[in-house]
Amino acid sequence: GNSVTQMEGPVTLSEEAFLTINCTYTATGYPSLFWYVQYPGEGLQLLLKATKADDKGSNKGFEATYRKETTSFHLEKGSVQVSDSAVYFCALKWSGYSTLTFGKGTMLLVSP
Amino acid sequence: DGGITQSPKYLFRKEGQNVTLSCEQNLNHDAMYWYRQDPGQGLRLIYYSQIVNDFQKGDIAEGYSVSREKKESFPLTVTSAQKNPTAFYLCASSIAGQETQYFGPGTRLLVL
Repeated sequence: GNSVTQMEGPVTLSEEAFLTINCTYTATGYPSLFWYVQYPGEGLQLLLKATKADDKGSNKGFEATYRKETTSFHLEKGSVQVSDSAVYFCALKWSGYSTLTFGKGTMLLVSP
Repeated sequence: DGGITQSPKYLFRKEGQNVTLSCEQNLNHDAMYWYRQDPGQGLRLIYYSQIVNDFQKGDIAEGYSVSREKKESFPLTVTSAQKNPTAFYLCASSIAGQETQYFGPGTRLLVL
């Protein structure tokens, strides 16, 4: 079946460091891919998405590129801020299906 | 402002009791979802509904029940049959056929 695997956290970085959170998926065909962010005590917010191979999603300085050859959708940011501290979820969805499959989440902690 | 509301933010239940979590949206979305979040487990789908008066079981429906009598409301009942109900519960909604799900702020259920 479909599954999403994320790197385990927490990821701890200093402010202005470069961020990579790895996400790979197992699926037949080409699903749409998402990154959601959850700030402490809150629900999830869509951060970015990509719907086909080689698409790049971007938002708030975060980027992720849909790589079909490596079935990956790694999240990157060039310079993190303390306010980026949150849990990040990678997810996939098939066209025609209404449900998302989530990874287990990766906690990011950014210190000043 | 349009959005999804979940109430209450915290809910306490005694063993053997049923409890109902509220989810309301004014986004005019057709589809609604309930997820359970446990530490280190990511999000798991409990139930979803794509249209009024219809709903489907997700991956972990045992011990839960839902109703969808109105488009804007999708309450979740955690029954006494759910043996480990302590968790963070998230409600989401989406436009039918579209990929982005919008999440509420969540309800944390604690069993006393």
